[in-house]
Amino acid sequence: AQTVTQSQPEMSVQEAETVTLSCTYDTSESDYYLFWYKQPPSRQMILVIRQEAYKQQNATENRFSVNFQKAAKSFSLKISDSQLGDAAMYFCAYGKGGSQGNLIFGKGTKLSVKP
Amino acid sequence: EPEVTQTPSHQVTQMGQEVILRCVPISNHLYFYWYRQILGQKVEFLVSFYNNEISEKSEIFDDQFSVERPDGSNFTLKIRSTKLEDSAMYFCASSYGVYPNYGYTFGSGTRLTVV
Repeated sequence: AQTVTQSQPEMSVQEAETVTLSCTYDTSESDYYLFWYKQPPSRQMILVIRQEAYKQQNATENRFSVNFQKAAKSFSLKISDSQLGDAAMYFCAYGKGGSQGNLIFGKGTKLSVKP
Repeated sequence: EPEVTQTPSHQVTQMGQEVILRCVPISNHLYFYWYRQILGQKVEFLVSFYNNEISEKSEIFDDQFSVERPDGSNFTLKIRSTKLEDSAMYFCASSYGVYPNYGYTFGSGTRLTVV
């Protein structure tokens, strides 16, 4: 069975600094996708970034980028120039290609941003 | 930007009562999902729905749960006889195509409290 592990329950970063959130996953599938979702205090789930497993190039979205290491089954999120609004829970998620919605989430990392 | 709308935002119910959680997916989306998040824990997949039938469901989605798209716009989750352990945030999501090619959008969630 597929699993997603986030080993950092909490992280803290100074405003304007860079922080990296870790995620590892386990799967025997070759076609899959990986996601980072942000959950602010409002509890809404907001997609931050996604990565297709077949793509070697790491996904980037403005200040957010990933380090996708397929062989190591690692998918870390880097947030550059951290802002106060980045403070939230961040969930790493795995989705099997072609399936209809069964995203598997990690337990999340709570990110605090210090002014 | 189109949104997935969930109502109510918070519902309190007595144990043993039936509850219906409502969702209005994005209008041209075809795939619909329910997830839940017990407080402080990870987000868990419940069910996916396409073409008026369930596509996939998790082991959590037992006979106490049902989903319906009664009128072409709403997508509902019914819990027939609520238990204390059903207390959680329930998220609806929708997508245009089979994720993750299209990605999907989460609603803001309904916080269900069973007393």
